[in-house]
Amino acid sequence: GQQVMQIPQYQHVQEGEDFTTYCNSSTTLSNIQWYKQRPGGHPVFLIQLVKSGEVKKQKRLTFQFGEAKKNSSLHITATQTTDVGTYFCAGPGIGFQKLVFGTGTRLLVSP
Amino acid sequence: GAVVSQHPSRVICKSGTSVKIECRSLDFQATTMFWYRQFPKQSLMLMATSNEGSKATYEQGVEKDKFLINHASLTLSTLTVTSAHPEDSSFYICSARDLLNEQFFGPGTRLTVL
Repeated sequence: GQQVMQIPQYQHVQEGEDFTTYCNSSTTLSNIQWYKQRPGGHPVFLIQLVKSGEVKKQKRLTFQFGEAKKNSSLHITATQTTDVGTYFCAGPGIGFQKLVFGTGTRLLVSP
Repeated sequence: GAVVSQHPSRVICKSGTSVKIECRSLDFQATTMFWYRQFPKQSLMLMATSNEGSKATYEQGVEKDKFLINHASLTLSTLTVTSAHPEDSSFYICSARDLLNEQFFGPGTRLTVL
């Protein structure tokens, strides 16, 4: 079945360092969404990318959708302790009604 | 953004009892709601898609007789875990989809079965 993998599974950085998580789908996606889940919390929608090669920025976060629409990345510049959490990518499942979540990347930022 | 609530936020029950979890979209109508389960340090796994006025669509491996879903109105879906056992202990999260196809998640319900 459809699989969405993310690497790394976990990353621990010092505050101020950059961070990137990569998302790879086994199938071509019509769009890709990114979510952030704080410890003990629920996923919060960050952004949706639709076009091949699309790049979007939100302050220190840069999101990219691959040309083949099978991969995506999230890059955080100069991490802050508030960036701590697990970042999930998600793409439409078969039938497009549902979302298939990636395996997630857990980010820990030390002050 | 839109708000989705879940109740209860936390429940502890004895093995063999049934637990009902409510998911409400507070400021929009959701024809489709989703129920996910998340084990510690793992990703969200979709359990079922709940459509208002029709039967839920369950993912492979999810027992429909154990996890009863009722989507009685455009703002409410319920998940009932019947005859809960310790292995059902998990974080259950619902989401509701708006007309722009964006999903908004509820705060989750942490179920602990003793």
